[in-house]
Amino acid sequence: DGGITQSPKYLFRKEGQNVTLSCEQNLNHDAMYWYRQDPGQGLRLIYYSQIVNDFQKGDIAEGYSVSREKKESFPLTVTSAQKNPTAFYLCAVGGNTIYFGEGSWLTVV
Amino acid sequence: GENVEQHPSTLSVQEGDSAVIKCTYSDSASNYFPWYKQELGKRPQLIIDIRSNVGEKKDQRIAVTLNKTAKHFSLHITETQPEDSAVYFCAASRKTGTASKLTFGTGTRLQVTL
Repeated sequence: DGGITQSPKYLFRKEGQNVTLSCEQNLNHDAMYWYRQDPGQGLRLIYYSQIVNDFQKGDIAEGYSVSREKKESFPLTVTSAQKNPTAFYLCAVGGNTIYFGEGSWLTVV
Repeated sequence: GENVEQHPSTLSVQEGDSAVIKCTYSDSASNYFPWYKQELGKRPQLIIDIRSNVGEKKDQRIAVTLNKTAKHFSLHITETQPEDSAVYFCAASRKTGTASKLTFGTGTRLQVTL
């Protein structure tokens, strides 16, 4: 878990803005993931990547975009098309066992 | 796709008692079942996991059982302590290439009272 860095920890977005959440890992894992958690709820998969230059949609990909140009990095962009972006966003890594970063809180103002 | 149901949603036990949380899954191809503990405002932390070739796994006060035929698995915590208070999530997945796409249950809020 210590090898997964998410930033920023807190982010405020105005209506109509795109924002990008960073996720960096030094654990040398091929697979990386983005999950969304709403208050009092479980985690839902947004996107995942199995290898550099590859990514696939999860269960709730609409309004989000990702890139995987480097093995260490898997940034998530929350676009203005995402109507309810306020949530806790968790980056994760791992193939057999999944570990989470510390998360980023996104609030729409 | 996979669907995971988790019960109960809240659980209150007295310190020293046991706690049991149950999950069912729908995809018979799922072969990996982790349990995570999440404290308020923190990330989920893996506490124990089990794979489909094993029926039970134990780690000190925590154990997990898996019934593949019935497609359900359970978390057992014995001798509960106040620090066990948290939200617990079960999940199910199968490996796809290098990735394991976890599908989570909705969580159980465990409160251990003195």
